[in-house]
Amino acid sequence: GNSVTQMEGPVTLSEEAFLTINCTYTATGYPSLFWYVQYPGEGLQLLLKATKADDKGSNKGFEATYRKETTSFHLEKGSVQVSDSAVYFCALTLPDNDMRFGAGTRLTVKP
Amino acid sequence: DGGITQSPKYLFRKEGQNVTLSCEQNLNHDAMYWYRQDPGQGLRLIYYSQIVNDFQKGDIAEGYSVSREKKESFPLTVTSAQKNPTAFYLCASSIVGGSGNTIYFGEGSWLTVV
Repeated sequence: GNSVTQMEGPVTLSEEAFLTINCTYTATGYPSLFWYVQYPGEGLQLLLKATKADDKGSNKGFEATYRKETTSFHLEKGSVQVSDSAVYFCALTLPDNDMRFGAGTRLTVKP
Repeated sequence: DGGITQSPKYLFRKEGQNVTLSCEQNLNHDAMYWYRQDPGQGLRLIYYSQIVNDFQKGDIAEGYSVSREKKESFPLTVTSAQKNPTAFYLCASSIVGGSGNTIYFGEGSWLTVV
């Protein structure tokens, strides 16, 4: 079936460190891939997305590239800030709107 | 402003009670969803609907019920048959058709059994 596996957390980094959160997927067909962010006590917000192979999604300094050959969509940011502390979810969706989420990775950035 | 409104934000339920969580959207989306999130865990799909008067069970539908009488509204009832209902509930919506459709979320509702 369709599923997403992402790096287990929690991840703790110092401010200005480099961030990578790994995400791999299994899907039949051609999924679109997403990263969502959830701040404490809130719903999920779309961070970035990519709809086909080799596309790069980017937003607020975060980037992820859709790698079909490795079935991956790793999230990266060159220099994290305290305000980036949140839970990050990788997700995929297929044309029938079936969306699958990873378990989430909690990021804490310390000053 | 366009968006998804969930209410109440916090709700307490006694054992054996049914409770209903409200979800309203003004994004003109055809599809609506309910997810459950347990502390430190990911999202699990309860029910979804792609058109008025039609809905499908997700992965954990037992103990829950929904209705979709209007395009804008998709209320979720947590029945007494749901043995462990304490969780964070998220409503979402999206357009239907095409690919790469973003799913938009409400702010969530916390349900606690007392």
